Amino acid sequence: DGGITQSPKYLFRKEGQNVTLSCEQNLNHDAMYWYRQDPGQGLRLIYYSQIVNDFQKGDIAEGYSVSREKKESFPLTVTSAQKNPTAFYLCASRAMPGQLEAFFGQGTRLTVV
Amino acid sequence: AQSVSQHNHHVILSEAASLELGCNYSYGGTVNLFWYVQYPGQHLQLLLKYFSGDPLVKGIKGFEAEFIKSKFSFNLRKPSVQWSDTAEYFCAVAGFQKLVFGTGTRLLVSP
Repeated sequence: DGGITQSPKYLFRKEGQNVTLSCEQNLNHDAMYWYRQDPGQGLRLIYYSQIVNDFQKGDIAEGYSVSREKKESFPLTVTSAQKNPTAFYLCASRAMPGQLEAFFGQGTRLTVV
Repeated sequence: AQSVSQHNHHVILSEAASLELGCNYSYGGTVNLFWYVQYPGQHLQLLLKYFSGDPLVKGIKGFEAEFIKSKFSFNLRKPSVQWSDTAEYFCAVAGFQKLVFGTGTRLLVSP
């Protein structure tokens, strides 16, 4: 089945540790996105990438980093510099040029204690 | 800058009432507009989309939306809601690169 896989579904980390969230897609989509979802704030764009080895900051990139070494993979690292990392993280992809809808993964709920 | 504004954060309706959720966007180029729905505990899924052509678009489950270019709006409507429409609804605008979402509207439909 084609789709987007995020893992793990739940993740717990101690404060001060970096953590990497996985996102893999087999839809052959060029563009991939990371969002953070918090109650009452909708989905806020963290990073996005249109092609391999290229990515751009979204609206709330501080404290996060990404890589795009393969078309199908777009991992997100939540660093210790992120002041409020506990959130629900969603990965999405869509075909380019950008006229088609995005497809979403199931999300990863990160809790930092 | 590309942005989306959803004015209603929480909406409570009785079954069979009509629904209209507001969405306004800001973007200087050609836009593609979307409404997504997130049912409790489920993935975000696409309700409907507008790319070009007829500004009145129909989506799944009886939803429709009207693109009004002069008002930069893309409001979501449904003539008669059901209890199963209880969910969070997100408007989104796609420029050539970015896909930006609004803050969402939580809809509660009481039986």
